[in-house]
Amino acid sequence: AQSVTQLDSQVPVFEEAPVELRCNYSSSVSVYLFWYVQYPNQGLQLLLKYLSGSTLVESINGFEAEFNKSQTSFHLRKPSVHISDTAEYFCAVSDRWGSQGNLIFGKGTKLSVKP
Amino acid sequence: ETGVTQTPRHLVMGMTNKKSLKCEQHLGHNAMYWYKQSAKKPLELMFVYSLEERVENNSVPSRFSPECPNSSHLFLHLHTLQPEDSALYLCASSPGGGIDSPLHFGNGTRLTVT
Repeated sequence: AQSVTQLDSQVPVFEEAPVELRCNYSSSVSVYLFWYVQYPNQGLQLLLKYLSGSTLVESINGFEAEFNKSQTSFHLRKPSVHISDTAEYFCAVSDRWGSQGNLIFGKGTKLSVKP
Repeated sequence: ETGVTQTPRHLVMGMTNKKSLKCEQHLGHNAMYWYKQSAKKPLELMFVYSLEERVENNSVPSRFSPECPNSSHLFLHLHTLQPEDSALYLCASSPGGGIDSPLHFGNGTRLTVT
């Protein structure tokens, strides 16, 4: 079965600093990978995804993630964070549940951006 | 507006009550999901529905009962819950249920069992 490890449960950073949120997955076969963001009192929103092609994927708000097959990693980065990036971030890997697609989520990383 | 609407947003119920959570998606998707989000734990998939089939999760206690009357609506019926069932319950939908389909989530129902 697939599993996802997010090594940091909390990451505090100052505004305009760079940040990296780490994610490792267990599968050695082809996978699809996702990052979701959850703002307070809201559901999860898709931030970016890797399905195929270029190993570097970007979101519209400046985040990027790089798929590294040899290290089974999909770390999320942003060169300069804003206060509004404060949220919880979840890494997820595709899986199958019967005939249905499913996502296996990590435990999440709380990003706290301080002024 | 996320396209997936959940009601109520908050629910407090006693262990002997019966209540239902409702989810409605306006995205024309074919698959719908119930997830449980508890503190310090990964999201747990509870149930999946698609046009073709309902996929059971045998680890979900029978005090949780899903219902999907059509592809736009999903319910989670609750009865004789336990305090450890207190959590955020998230509904999600996806276009076709394939493993490359991202999920679209509602804002969740915060359930407290007293």
